[in-house]
Amino acid sequence: ETGVTQTPRHLVMGMTNKKSLKCEQHLGHNAMYWYKQSAKKPLELMFVYNFKEQTENNSVPSRFSPECPNSSHLFLHLHTLQPEDSALYLCASRPQGSYNSPLHFGNGTRLTVT
Amino acid sequence: DQQVKQNSPSLSVQEGRISILNCDYTNSMFDYFLWYKKYPAEGPTFLISISSIKDKNEDGRFTVFLNKSAKHLSLHIVPSQPGDSAVYFCAASDMRVITQGGSEKLVFGKGTKLTVNP
Repeated sequence: ETGVTQTPRHLVMGMTNKKSLKCEQHLGHNAMYWYKQSAKKPLELMFVYNFKEQTENNSVPSRFSPECPNSSHLFLHLHTLQPEDSALYLCASRPQGSYNSPLHFGNGTRLTVT
Repeated sequence: DQQVKQNSPSLSVQEGRISILNCDYTNSMFDYFLWYKKYPAEGPTFLISISSIKDKNEDGRFTVFLNKSAKHLSLHIVPSQPGDSAVYFCAASDMRVITQGGSEKLVFGKGTKLTVNP
């Protein structure tokens, strides 16, 4: 139990599908993140939410749409993705405003776009 | 432009010996550095961190060294154990943005795959 739970663990979708990734954290944190890990590349920050407000969009294409209904839940809605979007999508959380507190990651969703 | 670089994609050591993983960074504004460990099919887990006001931080078998003038940090694992076999990510951030009400943004390296042989 990592404290940050992501579902589903694996997802295969076609380019015309619409799907959503879910993240839930049980740590009482109020900052949540989406990261993307592609093969042979570093983890890339996608979005940051603080207290349910989006504070960072790292030039992510609009086919990725985040949603944060409360401080414990984070979604990533996917539509009309491309095969190059296949990657490991990682959710993370930390206490906002807390200096030197590390990010806590979930186990990720392995996404394959066919 | 990669701000955090791990130039060794892999490292293999014998059980009981020291493992040294290296990381270089380019952004002089970074003031907080972390190492994460990742097993297959799991998310990264926090291992150890160091603030820029220190040059060494030790936690059991793990020690992180920071050389600010060289913009270099390293992770030492001694003695290495087979269970340490994983991918190790170096990460860095400018934590001052938090005191300014902003969001911390961790920048990661590509990772080094460590294999500890029995």
